[in-house]
Amino acid sequence: EPEVTQTPSHQVTQMGQEVILRCVPISNHLYFYWYRQILGQKVEFLVSFYNNEISEKSEIFDDQFSVERPDGSNFTLKIRSTKLEDSAMYFCAIILGRINYGYTFGSGTRLTVV
Amino acid sequence: GESVGLHLPTLSVQEGDNSIINCAYSNSASDYFIWYKQESGKGPQFIIDIRSNMDKRQGQRVTVLLNKTVKHLSLQIAATQPGDSAVYFCAERNNAGNMLTFGGGTRLMVKP
Repeated sequence: EPEVTQTPSHQVTQMGQEVILRCVPISNHLYFYWYRQILGQKVEFLVSFYNNEISEKSEIFDDQFSVERPDGSNFTLKIRSTKLEDSAMYFCAIILGRINYGYTFGSGTRLTVV
Repeated sequence: GESVGLHLPTLSVQEGDNSIINCAYSNSASDYFIWYKQESGKGPQFIIDIRSNMDKRQGQRVTVLLNKTVKHLSLQIAATQPGDSAVYFCAERNNAGNMLTFGGGTRLMVKP
């Protein structure tokens, strides 16, 4: 069973529409991250979320983006008005807290904006 | 700005040979480095990590070397197998925060 589950695995949306991407960790965590990867490019940091607050965010994470943890377990990334350039793989990540501090990534949501 | 980058975009090796994937970083404040493997359509998979107070760390068939003098990181894979074929990313963490900065990736192709 994966440590981090993301839904949906693939979403197609029209430009200007709102999308919500969901992340469900297998156990309770305090630190959550969202990263994105445009096709063929490197993985880019979007935002980190600690103790129900944004702790860091990148330049990519503008006013169109928001994150929340609505029910204490699910962790969501919302894009209010999608643009064509938002098409990418979006990965949720957690820190397992083990000795190696390795960040564990989910399998991702492929967002396609048409 | 500071960034993490890779020397070779594609590396092709024969099955059974050793592979070496390189990464250059420029942020001297980074204190932690990770190598990830990414297969098509999947998320990055943790391979091995190393802290800045170490020069070398070994795992199962993999070794990471860190040279802080020249800001260079490498991943060595022993006896490369077809299942090792993937894109490999190095990532660094700035000691001022928890975000990871990824390199551009190297595609490893293993020929049978």
